[in-house]
Amino acid sequence: AQSVTQLGSHVSVSEGALVLLRCNYSSSVPPYLFWYVQYPNQGLQLLLKYTSAATLVKGINGFEAEFKKSETSFHLTKPSAHMSDAAEYFCAVSESGGFKTIFGAGTRLFVKA
Amino acid sequence: DGGITQSPKYLFRKEGQNVTLSCEQNLNHDAMYWYRQDPGQGLRLIYYSQIVNDFQKGDIAEGYSVSREKKESFPLTVTSAQKNPTAFYLCASSPPGTGIGNIQYFGAGTRLSVL
Repeated sequence: AQSVTQLGSHVSVSEGALVLLRCNYSSSVPPYLFWYVQYPNQGLQLLLKYTSAATLVKGINGFEAEFKKSETSFHLTKPSAHMSDAAEYFCAVSESGGFKTIFGAGTRLFVKA
Repeated sequence: DGGITQSPKYLFRKEGQNVTLSCEQNLNHDAMYWYRQDPGQGLRLIYYSQIVNDFQKGDIAEGYSVSREKKESFPLTVTSAQKNPTAFYLCASSPPGTGIGNIQYFGAGTRLSVL
């Protein structure tokens, strides 16, 4: 069975500091992995996705994530945080051709001025 | 513009009442989903539909019902059997998953509260 674990329900960084949001997955087959972002009272929108084409995936708004099979991880990073990055971030996993996606519990990112 | 429209944005339910949340998409997607979001619990799947006139229960279907009579529409009814309906409800759709990894496109959500 697939599962996703996001380490840390809340992360706080200063503006301009590195953002690191952690995600570990479990899947019996090569997975598709995603990061979504949710701003208050809105739906989720896709930041980036991994589909086996490259282990380092670049997304929107300067975010990127690296797939590490040996560590079953897909951590999200951004070199320099902006105030506008404050939101909740969800890691998710699905199987190729599957219709279901499993979401992590989410990590709320706070950015301090 | 293509997208997913959920209505209403806010909804209040009285004790013993059924309420229906609307979800319409013009993305021509086959698959549609309903999720419930509670603080600190991420998204939990209520129902999903891969094609018109077919749908499957998700992880927390009890107290909910759906229909899929049209490709564009996937309404969710929260019945009186759902004893704790207060949550943020999200509708999503996705194109066929083969080869592109089942990206989901979300509506803006409906916040349901109990009076």
